[in-house]
Amino acid sequence: NAGVTQTPKFQVLKTGQSMTLQCAQDMNHNSMYWYRQDPGMGLRLIYYSASEGTTDKGEVPNGYNVSRLNKREFSLRLESAAPSQTSVYFCASSDFSGVGTEAFFGQGTRLTVV
Amino acid sequence: DAKTTQPPSMDCAEGRAANLPCNHSTISGNEYVYWYRQIHSQGPQYIIHGLKNNETNEMASLIITEDRKSSTLILPHATLRDTAVYYCIVRVAHSGGSNYKLTFGKGTLLTVNP
Repeated sequence: NAGVTQTPKFQVLKTGQSMTLQCAQDMNHNSMYWYRQDPGMGLRLIYYSASEGTTDKGEVPNGYNVSRLNKREFSLRLESAAPSQTSVYFCASSDFSGVGTEAFFGQGTRLTVV
Repeated sequence: DAKTTQPPSMDCAEGRAANLPCNHSTISGNEYVYWYRQIHSQGPQYIIHGLKNNETNEMASLIITEDRKSSTLILPHATLRDTAVYYCIVRVAHSGGSNYKLTFGKGTLLTVNP
């Protein structure tokens, strides 16, 4: 049982390049999330998907797009990377069903835009 | 959404109890209090959650005041490996649905000293 798997773990991009961060979970969770974490800061929600087929903006969605490919996979795309998007990106999944279950996080993708 | 307030940092001696406070004075009746921790930029890890009763598991205890406006996470015998950023989070409901997102603040950096 791998939990939440993110790829790649590290990436360096040049300004203007595009890339997709991949996330997959094997816990049959309905909800998935993308967060970013800047140095010395807490996690900020970029986008989330409450269930397969739906996506919603979080606190900092500008410059990003997401795709909920199926129940397992939720990808985050940077169309034209900017230095301000240098950050650590975390994917999470959960199955909140009104009884207070927890979210599980991946180990992060460390992205540097130069 | 209810916001949380935590001290930015705390110290604790190894083997002693660590008591981490959290203020959530605007919490509403159906919102849970969650605690997560993040060790050295790894993905956040769930610790415990509660609604209004005190809770205990193998990792920690959660004490929620009767008015639910604040809570305390207790690590009964802190070890060096408990050094981490601890996040107190109030779970908010996605509008109209039964799925929830987690909004993180900056948390408390707990340093356990030998």
